[in-house]
Order: sequence, then C-alpha cells, then structure tokens
Amino acid sequence: SAVISQKPSRDICQRGTSLTIQCQVDSQVTMMFWYRQQPGQSLTLIATANQGSEATYESGFVIDKFPISRPNLTFSTLTVSNMSPEDSSIYLCSVTGTSGGTDTQYFGPGTRLTVL
Amino acid sequence: QKEVEQDPGPLSVPEGAIVSLNCTYSNSAFQYFMWYRQYSRKGPELLMYTYSSGNKEDGRFTAQVDKSSKYISLFIRDSQPSDSATYLCAMRWVTGGGNKLTFGTGTQLKVEL
Repeated sequence: SAVISQKPSRDICQRGTSLTIQCQVDSQVTMMFWYRQQPGQSLTLIATANQGSEATYESGFVIDKFPISRPNLTFSTLTVSNMSPEDSSIYLCSVTGTSGGTDTQYFGPGTRLTVL
Repeated sequence: QKEVEQDPGPLSVPEGAIVSLNCTYSNSAFQYFMWYRQYSRKGPELLMYTYSSGNKEDGRFTAQVDKSSKYISLFIRDSQPSDSATYLCAMRWVTGGGNKLTFGTGTQLKVEL
C-alpha cells in the first residue's frame, strides 16, 4: 500500500480565511481523492484529482470553495476557501491501490480543521 | 434514506468478547464491500474486503456479506483493547479506481479490560 502524508495535521483558523492542505504520496498514482469527515457523518468524497486535468467535484462541492491542484503524480493540494465554522472537519487525502487483486482506497492521516 | 446505514454506537464490550458490527445498504448495484478501521486521530486503514456473498476470514476477523438481504457484517473474535477504534463499512459498484466508495457513518467500538 502507498504511504500518504498530509500537512498540516491540524489547524485552527479564523472565519473568512483560507487554508491549503498538502498531500504527498510515496509512489506515483493516477488518481488522488479528497474526502471530508464531519462528526457523526460518513466520509464524503469532495473531488477526484487527476494529474494534468481539472479536478472532478461531487455534488454539493464547487471549485471556488475547494480549489484543488495536482501538479504531479505524487502530490496534491486542497484549499478550503473563505472558511466558516461549518467547514470544521477532518479532511483526508486518498489514493487507489490494489489489495489481493481488487482496487481499493488508502487514506492519509487526515487534517483536523477547526474554524472559529 | 441513506445508501448505507450503520449504527454509530458507541459499543462497549469486555476483553475476549465476540463483536458483531453491521451495515445495511439499499443499492443492489454495490458489489465490493470493505471494512476500514480508524483509530483516533488517524486515517482509515483497510481491514478487509469481500466481493461475493458469504464469509471471508482473516485471523480474528470475519467479514460476511448477504447480498439478498443487503446486509454486511464484521465479526471480531477474542476482542482486545487494541481493537478499540471506529469501524467503517464501505462499498462500491464495480472494479476500477475511479469508482467512488460509499461509506457508513462508522461504529465506535471500545474493548475494556
């Protein structure tokens, strides 16, 4: 499985500001995924990031709020823009891997964001 | 109705107990079923996956899928305090990295000495 790291691990931000989260993978991967995990709720996919093309956003998520960069096959960033307390959540980076012959997803440690 | 339903718990059991964790789903197109374990302040880690109906065993863990009832389970035998974590079920339609996973909300498990 891939080793995934994220920065920062946690942050406390003021309303109206923006935070950029970095995701680094130790091997080249085609697709990277960004998830949000809010208390008491399911992991929710925000977008899929492919290198060399624009990210594909899920319903309810827009590029202006969550711009994503994917400059190469091992790195991606997610920006949470114009933050409000409702954006307080854990943000997780994920990549696809193969386990026992089937595709699944592996996750980074997450970025715990608190917006005041 | 959510596509995947999972009791959030918390579930507290004594050490050595058999634990049963369950999810139900509504979309019959789901074919691949996974269980993730998430320790506090960590990302989810893949624990087990299954494709067809039936049982799959890995050490103290058994994953069970009943597609006719749209019901999946994870059994933990001889539970240990180190099993204390949140367990997330996840599922998707077909093979291929582009098919997104749909997760349950997770069940918080605490195994007490």
